Amino acid sequence: KAGVTQTPRYLIKTRGQQVTLSCSPISGHRSVSWYQQTPGQGLQFLFEYFSETQRNKGNFPGRFSGRQFSNSRSEMNVSTLELGDSALYLCASSEGQVNTGELFFGEGSRLTVL
Amino acid sequence: DQQVKQNSPSLSVQEGRISILNCDYTNSMFDYFLWYKKYPAEGPTFLISISSIKDKNEDGRFTVFLNKSAKHLSLHIVPSQPGDSAVYFCAASLISNFGNEKLTFGTGTRLTIIP
Repeated sequence: KAGVTQTPRYLIKTRGQQVTLSCSPISGHRSVSWYQQTPGQGLQFLFEYFSETQRNKGNFPGRFSGRQFSNSRSEMNVSTLELGDSALYLCASSEGQVNTGELFFGEGSRLTVL
Repeated sequence: DQQVKQNSPSLSVQEGRISILNCDYTNSMFDYFLWYKKYPAEGPTFLISISSIKDKNEDGRFTVFLNKSAKHLSLHIVPSQPGDSAVYFCAASLISNFGNEKLTFGTGTRLTIIP
């Protein structure tokens, strides 16, 4: 089975621009979660989608949004980029049923905002 | 409010010895606790978990201990191997009617195994 695939792996943007990141989950997984990793902050939960519906949302401003398509692929968008948005954005998938919390992560998209 | 805390940013251990990584939490409602391992340029990978109703779970060289009264868990790696050098994240989850894919992570501990 192919793992979680995230694109692009690296990107550089300037303040005020917007960015869209893509995530393809493991085949058969219906839940996709997004996390932001920054130095000293660990991984912070952004949101989670299941069957095209947002089920959970973290404490991020409205500039951060996401969606999920019928094939379970997901995108997240960040508008009006700020310097502090520079981070590694990680996508994770799971079957979506109640489980122990075991998630399968992609390699991440590293965003640099200049 | 950091509900899951890893107070040691780094830890160095001699190869063959025991590595002990610690994690504290504040929310007594967490249902599961997990450890993830992360190598540079890779995503985190699941290592081991423990239900809040247990106090120990073992998987090969890895054992997780949970002390609910102290709101503390630890990961023991015995014996430590060079390939164990990575950043280890402690995480916790709450089961809800919507599943429990939301994890609360600690800030990570960088483990270095010295050959």
